[in-house]
Amino acid sequence: GAVVSQHPSRVICKSGTSVKIECRSLDFQATTMFWYRQFPKKSLMLMATSNEGSKATYEQGVEKDKFLINHASLTLSTLTVTSAHPEDSSFYICSAEQGADQPQHFGDGTRLSIL
Amino acid sequence: DQQVKQNSPSLSVQEGRISILNCDYTNSMFDYFLWYKKYPAEGPTFLISISSIKDKNEDGRFTVFLNKSAKHLSLHIVPSQPGDSAVYFCAASAQSSGDKLTFGTGTRLAVRP
Repeated sequence: GAVVSQHPSRVICKSGTSVKIECRSLDFQATTMFWYRQFPKKSLMLMATSNEGSKATYEQGVEKDKFLINHASLTLSTLTVTSAHPEDSSFYICSAEQGADQPQHFGDGTRLSIL
Repeated sequence: DQQVKQNSPSLSVQEGRISILNCDYTNSMFDYFLWYKKYPAEGPTFLISISSIKDKNEDGRFTVFLNKSAKHLSLHIVPSQPGDSAVYFCAASAQSSGDKLTFGTGTRLAVRP
């Protein structure tokens, strides 16, 4: 079946560091990738929608200069958390859409911890 | 404002019995519904979906029922197994492709041996 790989699975770094998270679709071309942030005891919050070759569409309240998203190819999207601070600590999940009438396939997530 | 609601945060079921997870939605534009299963420290994985043109979709032990007039869907798991213990997210989309998913807050299912 379709597989989405997210890397790294866990990051621990100091405040002020920029962190890049990769999301790859391994056996299909993903026209659209989504980035989510998960809060404890809450559902996933969509941060942005990423289409290959175009600028990402950010949800209201998400700082585009802080969370840089690049969708360079049909199999790779990256999320860079710039100048990360402790409040950015969270579980970030990507998903990829295979095509029409296909569900989103999720990566395993990245746990980001900012000290 | 929660457009997709899973009012039961948790459910405990005996192994071998039926598990019924419920989901309600408010947006009448939703026409595609999905259930995701999530284990701790992992991303949600797709389980089963249903289009609004259907009222039932079955895949092995999993069946999803959709009641459009009530804006309600449910996931039935029978027979339930301990490996089914996880958090189940209901999600909805206004189009079957290219639109964001709106998730419910999840129901934690515990299947007792």
